[in-house]
This record gives sequence, structure tokens and C-alpha cells, in this order.
Amino acid sequence: ETGVTQSPTHLIKTRGQQVTLRCSSQSGHNTVSWYQQALGQGPQFIFQYYREEENGRGNFPPRFSGLQFPNYSSELNVNALELDDSALYLCASSNRVASGRISEQFFGPGTRLTVL
Amino acid sequence: GNSVTQMEGPVTLSEEAFLTINCTYTATGYPSLFWYVQYPGEGLQLLLKATKADDKGSNKGFEATYRKETTSFHLEKGSVQVSDSAVYFCALGWTNFGNEKLTFGTGTRLTIIP
Repeated sequence: ETGVTQSPTHLIKTRGQQVTLRCSSQSGHNTVSWYQQALGQGPQFIFQYYREEENGRGNFPPRFSGLQFPNYSSELNVNALELDDSALYLCASSNRVASGRISEQFFGPGTRLTVL
Repeated sequence: GNSVTQMEGPVTLSEEAFLTINCTYTATGYPSLFWYVQYPGEGLQLLLKATKADDKGSNKGFEATYRKETTSFHLEKGSVQVSDSAVYFCALGWTNFGNEKLTFGTGTRLTIIP
């Protein structure tokens, strides 16, 4: 069973540029969540995708957007990069079931984004 | 809104010492509670979880009990090892009309000295 993978591992961009980060879900998982982890902080929820639609968003501006593909892999796009966007971006996949309880999220190793 | 308050770090202990990392939460409804661990340069790994009041989660010698009356989920281990050195995150998990979200604390860096 393959775990959650993310690419690239590291990325350096300049302010104002656009970036796309990629995530492959764990086999059998239908839901992808994205988190931003600033240095020395806990991860902050960006948004979640289920069946190719955004299904919940945290306190992030519209320049943070995403996609989920039919194979449940996902992309996170960030436009007009700002210095404060420098962080570790974590993807987590899960298999949502109608249990009334949050399903377990499995995290990838993250993409370290540096904005200069 | 939901929030998690976690014991400030860093925490430094000698090998075989007893560990407690405090975590309290604020939430509406009945969330699930988690402890995640992050080793240097890696993503998050689920350490243990509890889904309802009075549940005890345990794994690798770590334990935490979901206390609804004190809104707490403190992490404990009886005898720590050097390999336990990592950053530990307490998290609250909640689902609302299918929107599933984890809310994390700020993390506690643990260093174990031989």
C-alpha cells in the first residue's frame, strides 16, 4: 500500500509568482485536505476536497485554490505569492465514511515553500 | 469556534523520565481528539486518538484520556527514550455536514537526553 506522496519536496519562488503543489492520495482514499504549517507553528487547515469538489475552507484568501482529480490526487495552487506564504504545505488523505466521526487523516511529508 | 491550547515548549527530559504534555480544547459538539508526532524533516504521524468521552488512546507506550469534564487530552508516557525526541501536536477533529477538519495546537518540542 502506497502512502501519501507530495511533490516537489522543496520549492523557491519570488513574491508575486504562482505555484502549484501536488499530492497523491493513499490508495482507497477519497478525500484530500491541505494544511499550511508555518515555522514553529501547528498546521492550519486550508481546505478539503471530496469527490472533486471543495468541501470546507479555512481562513485563507481566494488566491489559495485547489483541484481534486478523478483518481483522487490533488493540487494546491497559490497565486500572487507573498513572503508570509513561506511554510511547509501538508497534504492529508482519508477515506470518508458516513460514521458521523471524522475519518483518520494520513499525512504526506510536505512541500517546503520559500518565497523570496 | 474550536481551538486547542497546548503546553508550551520546549521540554527537555532525561531518558526514562515520566512525560506529561498538557492539552486542553474548546469545542462545540463532540469532537474526536488526536495526538500527532512530527520527526525532523518529516510530515505528521498519528500517535493515538480517542473518539468519545472517557476513551483512552494508547500507542508505543504513550497514553491520553479524553476528559470531557475538564476538556483535556493530556499525553503521558511512563519512561521516555531518546527516540521519542520530536514535536508533538494535539489536535481536535470535527465533522459538520461532511466537512472534516483538524484543528491543531502549536506543538511541543520534546528533547530526551541520554
